[in-house]
Amino acid sequence: GIQVEQSPPDLILQEGANSTLRCNFSDSVNNLQWFHQNPWGQLINLFYIPSGTKQNGRLSATTVATERYSLLYISSSQTTDSGVYFCAVEHGFQKLVFGTGTRLLVSP
Amino acid sequence: SQTIHQWPATLVQPVGSPLSLECTVEGTSNPNLYWYRQAAGRGLQLLFYSVGIGQISSEVPQNLSASRPQDRQFILSSKKLLLSDSGFYLCAWSGPLLSRTDTQYFGPGTRLTVL
Repeated sequence: GIQVEQSPPDLILQEGANSTLRCNFSDSVNNLQWFHQNPWGQLINLFYIPSGTKQNGRLSATTVATERYSLLYISSSQTTDSGVYFCAVEHGFQKLVFGTGTRLLVSP
Repeated sequence: SQTIHQWPATLVQPVGSPLSLECTVEGTSNPNLYWYRQAAGRGLQLLFYSVGIGQISSEVPQNLSASRPQDRQFILSSKKLLLSDSGFYLCAWSGPLLSRTDTQYFGPGTRLTVL
């Protein structure tokens, strides 16, 4: 099956710093989503981004489908950005395959 | 707007006991419904998905089963729990087959501990 790898696995930042999270996938996909899982376990949709670039406030994402990767940018990080970030790709009918996740800790 | 509910929020069960987790969606019709499991500190694994009442697809062989008795209700069950069934169970929904809505939306989850 398709492999979805994320890097780095763990990231510690000072508040105000910027970061880039990467998602690599091993096969062509129908779409790609980024999620943030907060400390209470709730998964929040960040971006639905099969290709191109999108921005939402301090977050932006870019997917280059032909090269099988996606990037999530977090600028001016805040403590509330802490949690685990997952990318998930749709491989087959609306079935999401999740990546391994990046655990982010933003310290004040 | 659409909302998704799961209960219970947390559950502690002995090995060998039965299980029933419920998920309901409001504000949409004919959704696709999904059950995922997340082991501690790891990614999510798709367990079951359903495109309509009584239609269940299983992704991995396991000790669990799923049912969809109503359009917006999805139930995860087990007759006898194993220690390995512990984890965080998440229900999700997405638009129906002919919809252009391709995103999935997740419920708050049920944290299951089997002792």
